[in-house]
Amino acid sequence: GQQLNQSPQSMFIQEGEDVSMNCTSSSIFNTWLWYKQDPGEGPVLLIALYKAGELTSNGRLTAQFGITRKDSFLNISASIPSDVGIYFCAGLGTSGTYKYIFGTGTRLKVLA
Amino acid sequence: DAEITQSPRHKITETGRQVTLACHQTWNHNNMFWYRQDLGHGLRLIHYSYGVQDTNKGEVSDGYSVSRSNTEDLPLTLESAASSQTSVYFCASSESSMSGADTQYFGPGTRLTVL
Repeated sequence: GQQLNQSPQSMFIQEGEDVSMNCTSSSIFNTWLWYKQDPGEGPVLLIALYKAGELTSNGRLTAQFGITRKDSFLNISASIPSDVGIYFCAGLGTSGTYKYIFGTGTRLKVLA
Repeated sequence: DAEITQSPRHKITETGRQVTLACHQTWNHNNMFWYRQDLGHGLRLIHYSYGVQDTNKGEVSDGYSVSRSNTEDLPLTLESAASSQTSVYFCASSESSMSGADTQYFGPGTRLTVL
């Protein structure tokens, strides 16, 4: 099935650093969602984006809906050890269905 | 608080047995989904439902079935479990709104091992 291109696949950063990751698609999307998944748990919704160009924050997290509607970005500022986990993007297309397409995930490790 | 729950959280079964995984949401969402998550494949859609009595096949539906008799529940049944169905299974739900905005929420997952 279709998956979104998410990059980077993994990253090791020092505590306190800022983190950036992105998702790209060949298709236009109406909605972008960003999730975080901890080991042994389900994905937890972090941010939802509904309009092209939209910039939304949730604490130290900021996400943007790309103006082309084919990409989205997630930034984490001043990372802390509990930010470790896998971050997924998900996009909802324009076909009228409610089936999301998911990114391959970015595995984040924070070094104290 | 509204939530989505899955049971059991862990299950070990034998090849050939029928297994049912439960999913229950208290948001009164119309849409419910079942995914499996495997290393190297990410989240793959098994079945989904847009309302009571509605069910649809996803990309990896072979060997699985669902039924939607009420808004809150979408049980997933493995008719005859196979080792290839060893995976982590996630249920999710969402609400379809008039504005088109739709946000999907996940359950905690069920880890299924088929021996």
